[in-house]
Amino acid sequence: GESVGLHLPTLSVQEGDNSIINCAYSNSASDYFIWYKQESGKGPQFIIDIRSNMDKRQGQRVTVLLNKTVKHLSLQIAATQPGDSAVYFCAETYFNYGGSQGNLIFGKGTKLSVKP
Amino acid sequence: EPEVTQTPSHQVTQMGQEVILRCVPISNHLYFYWYRQILGQKVEFLVSFYNNEISEKSEIFDDQFSVERPDGSNFTLKIRSTKLEDSAMYFCASNRQGSNEKLFFGSGTQLSVL
Repeated sequence: GESVGLHLPTLSVQEGDNSIINCAYSNSASDYFIWYKQESGKGPQFIIDIRSNMDKRQGQRVTVLLNKTVKHLSLQIAATQPGDSAVYFCAETYFNYGGSQGNLIFGKGTKLSVKP
Repeated sequence: EPEVTQTPSHQVTQMGQEVILRCVPISNHLYFYWYRQILGQKVEFLVSFYNNEISEKSEIFDDQFSVERPDGSNFTLKIRSTKLEDSAMYFCASNRQGSNEKLFFGSGTQLSVL
């Protein structure tokens, strides 16, 4: 079946280093990709998104890269901070005919631990 | 920033009982969703709701599940006869109509079926 998956289930980095979290997707019909951060006891929190007509999008300290050729998505966090410690999920979806967002298909999640 | 709020935060019920999980989406949002996350697993889509009807639902969302928007602010998920495997964290989410709109998730209701 079609799925979104993650290469690394856990990632441990030193405070101040850059983090890279990877994700593979298999549904070529997906045209919208999102990264979510989930802290313990909380719901997923939107970090950054990217449409399929883009290769790269930057936010504040975060960058998402999309490689449609190999169906790969990555999240880069610059100067990782202890507050970045959380589980990170990639998700894929598509836009319906009317422009509304279809249901999200989440990956399993990568746990990021930041060592002070 | 406006938030999606969910109540209760924890719900414990006996197998076979009915439960209602409540959500208050963000006030100017028009699309509403329920997702669930079984412990240690992926977040899974259950149902989306727009204009007082279900837009889309997953295989998980069988006849035991129903959703309702009883008034202008609440959005509920009802499980008619709970099963052990319904134990999960249930997340409500909402967004406005239109493209490129991120989902806002609530903090979830942890449902434990005994």
